[in-house]
Amino acid sequence: AQKVTQAQTEISVVEKEDVTLDCVYETRDTTYYLFWYKQPPSGELVFLIRRNSFDEQNEISGRYSWNFQKSTSSFNFTITASQVVDSAVYFCALSEAGANDYKLSFGAGTTVTVRA
Amino acid sequence: DAEITQSPRHKITETGRQVTLACHQTWNHNNMFWYRQDLGHGLRLIHYSYGVQDTNKGEVSDGYSVSRSNTEDLPLTLESAASSQTSVYFCASSTGGNTEAFFGQGTRLTVV
Repeated sequence: AQKVTQAQTEISVVEKEDVTLDCVYETRDTTYYLFWYKQPPSGELVFLIRRNSFDEQNEISGRYSWNFQKSTSSFNFTITASQVVDSAVYFCALSEAGANDYKLSFGAGTTVTVRA
Repeated sequence: DAEITQSPRHKITETGRQVTLACHQTWNHNNMFWYRQDLGHGLRLIHYSYGVQDTNKGEVSDGYSVSRSNTEDLPLTLESAASSQTSVYFCASSTGGNTEAFFGQGTRLTVV
């Protein structure tokens, strides 16, 4: 069963628009970790954020913000005032570390295109 | 600086040949992973290892094998390459489930 679902395949916005990427996860563990990675056109995978299951505080880092809601099993990612350099594929991932299971399960990714 | 490197970066091989993709990390991480990336599927786990002599199958392990003889390396072998194994392969390492995984640059493999 898919543990991480990113329902949006592609999103296209004009520069300076905000964009929100949805991520819904599924796990029976009470201890788990959620991640977001960015894959720019150059192909490398860049770590953006980690959040553990006990910390539901939202986080902001510059133009990036993350909203973690256990009640809806969601960990959404918002880019504020998007820029062309934000064009990339973004992946949400889950680690069920409570079972000493350290592997990451990834969503299918959302391709974000920011047009000038 | 510590890093994780994959080689080769690009490879073209013929159907039926055995191919080995190398992954080397200098982070001294116990956990190492191999993923493949295909359009519409994100990254899917092939094999992983939590330490020397430990290997485990992921969700798409058929036709692949790994071995872990030391902490630094986790080579991925395609026993008999098939066209369905044309993909981009990523190696990753981490210290634990509560830490991020660091990824190599990827290997683009084409099986003709």
